Amino acid sequence: AQSVSQHNHHVILSEAASLELGCNYSYGGTVNLFWYVQYPGQHLQLLLKYFSGDPLVKGIKGFEAEFIKSKFSFNLRKPSVQWSDTAEYFCAVNPTSGTYKYIFGTGTRLKVLA
Amino acid sequence: DTAVSQTPKYLVTQMGNDKSIKCEQNLGHDTMYWYKQDSKKFLKIMFSYNNKELIINETVPNRFSPKSPDKAHLNLHINSLELGDSAVYFCASSQTGQGDEQYFGPGTRLTVT
Repeated sequence: AQSVSQHNHHVILSEAASLELGCNYSYGGTVNLFWYVQYPGQHLQLLLKYFSGDPLVKGIKGFEAEFIKSKFSFNLRKPSVQWSDTAEYFCAVNPTSGTYKYIFGTGTRLKVLA
Repeated sequence: DTAVSQTPKYLVTQMGNDKSIKCEQNLGHDTMYWYKQDSKKFLKIMFSYNNKELIINETVPNRFSPKSPDKAHLNLHINSLELGDSAVYFCASSQTGQGDEQYFGPGTRLTVT
């Protein structure tokens, strides 16, 4: 079965620390990959997405993610986090084989201490 | 203008009742979705409609019935509510449903007592 794993469930960082959130998926075919963010009390919004081409994609607010096909991974990174990055982060996979399904990971709760 | 809107935002009801949640998108998208987010924040797809046609129907109890009167609307009706139905329900839409960014509504927090 297709699944998405986010190994870090809770992450606590101080401001200016670097961030890396892991995302691994299980699916043998081609996929589209997404990272969404849910700020406290708000709805999910897109941070960045990968469809094809350069495996290093840049998103909003200084976030980037790298697709490593051999590792089935799409890790999210930010060199220096801010207090305002406190949120829940979700990785999502959309197989390109004609399915309309988006499979979400269980989310990582990031807390940034001021 | 709100891209994806849901009503109500909060819904508190008793076990056994029937309730509906409405969703509307003004983005002109072809595909709409319902997700359930449980207390651990796990986001699971329930249904997806493309051009008013049901295309994804996950293993959801048949007490849940989606209805799409037109491309811009996808409502969720729940019969005989149970305690386990308590969750936040998110509506979303995307242009085609294949590889597009999804736009999410603000969520409806359903509490069943």
